[in-house]
Amino acid sequence: GAVVSQHPSWVICKSGTSVKIECRSLDFQATTMFWYRQFPKQSLMLMATSNEGSKATYEQGVEKDKFLINHASLTLSTLTVTSAHPEDSSFYICSGSGSLSYEQYFGPGTRLTVT
Amino acid sequence: GEDVEQSLFLSVREGDSSVINCTYTDSSSTYLYWYKQEPGAGLQLLTYIFSNMDMKQDQRLTVLLNKKDKHLSLRIADTQTGDSAIYFCAEIPPTGGKLIFGQGTELSVKP
Repeated sequence: GAVVSQHPSWVICKSGTSVKIECRSLDFQATTMFWYRQFPKQSLMLMATSNEGSKATYEQGVEKDKFLINHASLTLSTLTVTSAHPEDSSFYICSGSGSLSYEQYFGPGTRLTVT
Repeated sequence: GEDVEQSLFLSVREGDSSVINCTYTDSSSTYLYWYKQEPGAGLQLLTYIFSNMDMKQDQRLTVLLNKKDKHLSLRIADTQTGDSAIYFCAEIPPTGGKLIFGQGTELSVKP
């Protein structure tokens, strides 16, 4: 299957700072990328969907000013958690789909801890 | 509405077959998926089935789809300790490309 990478794999930041997480599709062009967050022992919660060159579509209840998503190229999307607080601590996972829109490939996830 | 349900836990002995079950509510779903998640990792796409298929086999994995009952299952033959993980069932409804996930089934394989 296709490969998606995320960077960093884990990050610890202080409350009030911003953190950027990168998601890259390494061997395919991801026309659509998705961002999820996952709490321990729970399923994935979709945060937003982004198409290359367009503004992201956020799910209900997700603050778009807090979770900034940029999908500037077909291989890179970024999620910036602004003014992070301890309740933002979570596992963030991205995924991408390309020409075969029904195939979605996931990154390895980024563990964010806000102290 | 769209909803996907799975049992939360399954425990099997090494060498046995594992069957993980999933039910979904949207009868017009086009694709149904099985993903595997190991601790601290992302999701690995194991297999998927198109809604006009009844069965799909890929090495040790067999997917069965019963559209009438909206039931999907994943059978893992000769289960190994390396198969211990959380398995997520997911569907894509015809309205869009976002996946609807079940809660995940934690598979524990005992030697």
